[in-house]
Order: sequence, then C-alpha cells, then structure tokens
Amino acid sequence: EPEVTQTPSHQVTQMGQEVILRCVPISNHLYFYWYRQILGQKVEFLVSFYNNEISEKSEIFDDQFSVERPDGSNFTLKIRSTKLEDSAMYFCASYPTSRDTDTQYFGPGTRLTVL
Amino acid sequence: DAKTTQPPSMDCAEGRAANLPCNHSTISGNEYVYWYRQIHSQGPQYIIHGLKNNETNEMASLIITEDRKSSTLILPHATLRDTAVYYCIVRPWGSKTGANNLFFGTGTRLTVIP
Repeated sequence: EPEVTQTPSHQVTQMGQEVILRCVPISNHLYFYWYRQILGQKVEFLVSFYNNEISEKSEIFDDQFSVERPDGSNFTLKIRSTKLEDSAMYFCASYPTSRDTDTQYFGPGTRLTVL
Repeated sequence: DAKTTQPPSMDCAEGRAANLPCNHSTISGNEYVYWYRQIHSQGPQYIIHGLKNNETNEMASLIITEDRKSSTLILPHATLRDTAVYYCIVRPWGSKTGANNLFFGTGTRLTVIP
C-alpha cells in the first residue's frame, strides 16, 4: 500500500539554525499538508498546499516557515531560524483528489529537537 | 478549531468491543465525522468517516445519531494493538482547497487491558 514517507526521522539542531524537513507524499495526490505536535499536546495544523501554492495556513505558520514542492515528488517544510519552542513532531500528510469523501494520509513524522 | 467533545480516557478489556463516544452538537449539514487514531507518537491513522449513515469497514463501525449531534466509534474486538489516542473530527466538505484541513482535539486515550 502506498504511504507517505518523511526524512529524517529525528533532527537535532541548534537554536537559530535553519532546518528542512522532507516529505514524499503518495504519488498522484494533489493536496499536501504539514502538522506539528508538541510533546504531550494535540496535533496542530500548520499549512496546506495545492497547485504549487499555499492554500491555507494557521497562525503558527509565520514568516519563519516556508513550504516548497521543488521537484514534483518532494514536499518540504523549512524553518529559517529555529527556536526552542519549535521542538515537536512534524507530520506531513497528503490527500488524493478534490472529492470530499477522501481522507488524508499521514507520514510517520520527523521529531525536531532544538537545543 | 476542534468542534468535538470526547472523554479523555477509557479502558477496554481485550477481546471486548470498545465503544468510543463523541459529541459534535454544533455540526453543520455539510460536515463529515472523521475518526483517526494515533499510536504512541506515530502519524495519525485514518479509521473511518461518515456523513449521515452508519458506516463499517475492516477496522471499525461508526454509528451516527439521527440528529447527527453525536457518534460512536466501535472497535468490535479490541486488541492490545488498539491502545491509542482516538480523535473524532468534524470536517466540512466543499470546493475550497483549504476545506480539507483537519483540526484535532485532545481525543480519547483508549487503553486495552489484557
């Protein structure tokens, strides 16, 4: 069964450094998402991406964050200057079509630790 | 933001049915009820969804009340591997690309006991 993959599984970085989290959505899916989950808290929506542009973003997704689909297969989340509070699990998800009855498929996540 | 209410935790004996309730009293006519679960810190896993009618798949059954203000997820024969946090989410449908976003609440932590 096709699945969403994410790399790396764990990323450790120093505060102020840039990080790029990578995702390979399921082939032929059209909609892409990033969510995050701070340890012990709920899963939070960050951003959705469709047709090579951001379609919606949350208040969390400020100017430090950006997303890109550089080559038609990867979907990346960049945090320009990491803060301690960016430490969290980051989940990528993809969604097949515009049909409302479809569902999002999540990747296994990347654990980001900012020191 | 999350528009559902779930009990924070539940226990279920292994092999018995687990019935997880969810209140969504403000649900709109164009909103689906989705259930996901999260095992430990893994990515959320889709279970089932429905609009009005009861639904069943290989994982679970979803019972939606006639007024659609509440629903119950049923795992017919719970196993230890079903121990997870279960999320009930209402999600609108429509042509807006952003309408597919999922807003998670705190869910119900189900513990299956041997």
